Amino acid sequence: NAGVTQTPKFRVLKTGQSMTLLCAQDMNHEYMYWYRQDPGMGLRLIHYSVGEGTTAKGEVPDGYNVSRLKKQNFLLGLESAAPSQTSVYFCASSQWDTQYFGPGTRLTVL
Amino acid sequence: RKEVEQDPGPFNVPEGATVAFNCTYSNSASQSFFWYRQDCRKEPKLLMSVYSSGNEDGRFTAQLNRASQYISLLIRDSKLSDSATYLCVVNRWGSQGNLIFGKGTKLSVKP
Repeated sequence: NAGVTQTPKFRVLKTGQSMTLLCAQDMNHEYMYWYRQDPGMGLRLIHYSVGEGTTAKGEVPDGYNVSRLKKQNFLLGLESAAPSQTSVYFCASSQWDTQYFGPGTRLTVL
Repeated sequence: RKEVEQDPGPFNVPEGATVAFNCTYSNSASQSFFWYRQDCRKEPKLLMSVYSSGNEDGRFTAQLNRASQYISLLIRDSKLSDSATYLCVVNRWGSQGNLIFGKGTKLSVKP
């Protein structure tokens, strides 16, 4: 089992560009999450999903959209990237409270 | 009071030392508690869950004090490989799956 995978691993964007981050899990988990991690800020929840076809806002949802069309995939979209969105993005999945994380995507917005 | 608060460290200790990390949480409705470990430039990984009765896993012991809303992690006989950031994690307002992560305590074990 691959667990949780994320694509891409690294990306550099210019201000105003858009992109989609892909998260995939093969553990048949119902819950999936997107976090961002910034120095001195810890992990902050952006959006999450409690099942296929559902999404909900987390702590810092502004500037991001998500979709969960298939149970195993959770997409994070940036419609118009801003320098403040430079961060490391982690996806996670869980069945109960234990969360399993992907390796992260390092995004730089210039 | 912050939702989950930890001493950021860093804790610099020699191999073989015993080190303790503390964490406080603000919401008394929280039901699930964890310690995660994060290596530099890697994803967080579950180290252990924390139960009311306290629990031990090899050199690691976790304690929970609900009355004081306090969680601890004790590492005995520190190894170089224990060097990492340790994250205290609490579930959000008693809701399943929705976790609050502390900012982490950095541990550096020196030879």
